[in-house]
Amino acid sequence: QVQLQESGPGLVKPSETLSLTCTVSGGSISSYYWSWIRQPPGKGLEWIGYIYYTGSTNYNPSLKSRVTISIDTSKNQFSLKLSSVTAADTAVYYCARAPPYGAYLLDYWGQGTLVTVSS
Amino acid sequence: EIVLTQSPGTLSLSPGERATLSCRASQSVSSSYLAWYQQKPGQAPRLLIYGASRRATGIPDRFSGSGSGTDFTLTISRLEPEDFAVYYCQQYGSPPNTFGQGTKLEIK
Repeated sequence: QVQLQESGPGLVKPSETLSLTCTVSGGSISSYYWSWIRQPPGKGLEWIGYIYYTGSTNYNPSLKSRVTISIDTSKNQFSLKLSSVTAADTAVYYCARAPPYGAYLLDYWGQGTLVTVSS
Repeated sequence: EIVLTQSPGTLSLSPGERATLSCRASQSVSSSYLAWYQQKPGQAPRLLIYGASRRATGIPDRFSGSGSGTDFTLTISRLEPEDFAVYYCQQYGSPPNTFGQGTKLEIK
């Protein structure tokens, strides 16, 4: 059974860079797409972007200028960096897997981690 | 981008009843690339339905999806206590993939 676990700081100052890592266990990171999704408190879901195991990426246009997703297949990890954060970036951040036949179809999710942007 | 509008916002039903949730897209969803997720408080979403009508692995057959084009429906035939949650639809045929705002299914 594939498991995903997000890790990283729970508090980030405004204008700084949010950095999170997702560790995949119980399966290989190869042959899948790996996404980041966020959910502001009490609100809906927003897809941030994905990385394919080969390293190719696709980002939500609304966040593209601030987002970088990278992957380390040797560690079975992928990471998110979101720059120049503001209070509007406060959210629960989820990592998730998508199968080869559906890059945006999210079949396994991490439990999520709350990131608060505040000074 | 495709905007998904879910209705109703909140649905109040009793266990054993039938639930019908709607998801309407602002333009046609390519190849019925429409999914449904269930989210319980404090938990990550769980994939229920993909391809508009295909159940994900391990999902009970009381959950069914239907629809095409711009109108999609999630039906729960007989509600169990564990089914009360928030449900989101997602279109994944036209980048960027987008989610509906959610329908909260609450116990009456």
